Amino acid sequence: SQTIHQWPATLVQPVGSPLSLECTVEGTSNPNLYWYRQAAGRGLQLLFYSVGIGQISSEVPQNLSASRPQDRQFILSSKKLLLSDSGFYLCAWLPTARRRADNEQFFGPGTRLTVL
Amino acid sequence: RKEVEQDPGPFNVPEGATVAFNCTYSNSASQSFFWYRQDCRKEPKLLMSVYSSGNEDGRFTAQLNRASQYISLLIRDSKLSDSATYLCVVNAGAAGNKLTFGGGTRVLVKP
Repeated sequence: SQTIHQWPATLVQPVGSPLSLECTVEGTSNPNLYWYRQAAGRGLQLLFYSVGIGQISSEVPQNLSASRPQDRQFILSSKKLLLSDSGFYLCAWLPTARRRADNEQFFGPGTRLTVL
Repeated sequence: RKEVEQDPGPFNVPEGATVAFNCTYSNSASQSFFWYRQDCRKEPKLLMSVYSSGNEDGRFTAQLNRASQYISLLIRDSKLSDSATYLCVVNAGAAGNKLTFGGGTRVLVKP
């Protein structure tokens, strides 16, 4: 069966520090991968998505970046965190065999980031 | 105008009662629709897809009205465990199969 992992689960970082969040998927190959952020009391905002290794699409301008160095690995990074980067970061995947508009995405457990 | 809009609630529901709420979407080209459930400080999980003819899954019924561009969710015989935030989700069928999320409707079921 397929599973998705994210780490760390929680993170407290000072303003101006770097960030690296990791997401890995098991039990599938060539999935679509997505990074979302959910600010406190707000909806999910799509940050990046990837349809393959090295292919990254950015949805909103920001000081974050994403990379996909391996098929089942998706990394979210920042060189210098801002207070506004605080939030709940969720990774999601869409199975290759179900790349149709009527199929849902599956979410990882998320990383709760607090920037102080 | 937001692409997907929901009443944030909270909807305070007595245990055993029925509750229903809607979600409106702005993109008439939207192709698929979902309801996700999100518990406090947890990741969203799929509750059900929403089909054109409407569909039911146990105590949950979802409806789609393409003409008026809204979807609905009805919960019958509410349980305490139904307390959660319900997210309306739309897929416009664009590249990358991106999903657009509503802000969520909070439901609190009370004894």
